[in-house]
Amino acid sequence: AQSVTQLDSQVPVFEEAPVELRCNYSSSVSVYLFWYVQYPNQGLQLLLKYLSGSTLVKGINGFEAEFNKSQTSFHLRKPSVHISDTAEYFCAVSEKGGYNKLIFGAGTRLAVHP
Amino acid sequence: EPEVTQTPSHQVTQMGQEVILRCVPISNHLYFYWYRQILGQKVEFLVSFYNNEISEKSEIFDDQFSVERPDGSNFTLKIRSTKLEDSAMYFCASTEGSGANVLTFGAGSRLTVL
Repeated sequence: AQSVTQLDSQVPVFEEAPVELRCNYSSSVSVYLFWYVQYPNQGLQLLLKYLSGSTLVKGINGFEAEFNKSQTSFHLRKPSVHISDTAEYFCAVSEKGGYNKLIFGAGTRLAVHP
Repeated sequence: EPEVTQTPSHQVTQMGQEVILRCVPISNHLYFYWYRQILGQKVEFLVSFYNNEISEKSEIFDDQFSVERPDGSNFTLKIRSTKLEDSAMYFCASTEGSGANVLTFGAGSRLTVL
């Protein structure tokens, strides 16, 4: 079974500052890793994914994440945030070779202030 | 860009009533999923569906719930005898195949049980 821990429930940050949203996972098998974003009153939108290859993956809206197998982490970063990045961010894993079932973390609310 | 469409966007029902939530997955997708998100909580897997049968279900998905693909395009979630704690946002998702495939989520159906 897999589990995902998002260490910060809320992250306040000022506009144009860098941000890191932390994600750690636990799994007995190999996994794929994802970050989804949920804007207020909207559905889930894929930000980026790690399937294989380079451990640094780039996504939409200037976000990137780095897969660290030894630390079982997949932290999300952005060098300069905008007000429009205010949203809930979910880290998720799925088992390689499985039916793409996603296991989500509890989410991190990113609040960008002017 | 192809979308997963969910109806209704919001449904209010009385406790004990039956509810059907409808989803139209992306046309060439073969794997279908329902997730739910209770207000303020994480997104939870309910069920996955492939080749006209359930491939996996969570412990949340008990006899109160059922899924169906009645006509080759719709994918429905039926909740019998709704309870207050069934109030949540329900997300449908689909993907093309197994393996390293990304789920595309619908915008969700908010269910309010009074």
